[in-house]
Amino acid sequence: EAGVVQSPRYKIIEKKQPVAFWCNPISGHNTLYWYLQNLGQGPELLIRYENEEAVDDSQLPKDRFSAERLKGVDSTLKIQPAELGDSAVYLCASSSGGNTEAFFGQGTRLTVV
Amino acid sequence: AQTVTQSQPEMSVQEAETVTLSCTYDTSESDYYLFWYKQPPSRQMILVIRQEAYKQQNATENRFSVNFQKAAKSFSLKISDSQLGDAAMYFCAYRRGCCRDDKIIFGKGTRLHILP
Repeated sequence: EAGVVQSPRYKIIEKKQPVAFWCNPISGHNTLYWYLQNLGQGPELLIRYENEEAVDDSQLPKDRFSAERLKGVDSTLKIQPAELGDSAVYLCASSSGGNTEAFFGQGTRLTVV
Repeated sequence: AQTVTQSQPEMSVQEAETVTLSCTYDTSESDYYLFWYKQPPSRQMILVIRQEAYKQQNATENRFSVNFQKAAKSFSLKISDSQLGDAAMYFCAYRRGCCRDDKIIFGKGTRLHILP
C-alpha cells in the first residue's frame, strides 16, 4: 500500500512569490492534515480536512495561506505571497476512523530567499 | 488546552546501551492516546509506539517500551540495545480520544545521538 505522497520535496523561491504544495493521502483515508514544522520544533497543525470539509483551520494564516481538497482525496496548500519566515517543512498526513495514529508524508522543505 | 513537553532537547547514548526519553503532558480529558514518533533526516515521521490512556499496561514494540504514568501525566520512551539506526528526532505526541481523527499535538522533540 502506498503511503502519503507529497511533492515537491524541496522548493526554493524568492520572497513575494507564490508557491504550492501537493499531497496525496493513503487511499481510503478521509482525514487529511497539513502541518508546519519550523527548524528544531515539533509539527504544528495548519488545517485538518474531513473529506472535502475543512473542520479545523484556526491556525492557518488566511491572509496568505489557502488550502483545498476538492474531491476529498488529494490536497493543495498554497502560500501567496511567500515571506522569509515561511521557510520551514510542510508535512501532510492522513488518517481514517479506524486508526488512532496519523501517517505522514516526507514533507516539503521550503526555502524563501 | 492540551500541551506536550519534552525537556531534553538532545541526548546521547552508546550503541547497545539503553536510553530513556522523557515526556510530560497536560490534559483534562480522560480518554486520549499518546504516541512516540521518530523523524530521521529523511523527514518522514514514523510511528514508534502508541499507548491508549485507558490501558494500564505499558505498550511494548520490540526494543521500544514506554512507562506510562497517568496520574503524573508522564509518558517516557525506553530504547533498549540502541542501534545506529535509532539516531533521529523523537517526538512525543497526544491526541484526544473523544473525537474521531482529531489533531495530534506534538512536543518540541528530543534529538537522539547514538555513539559507536
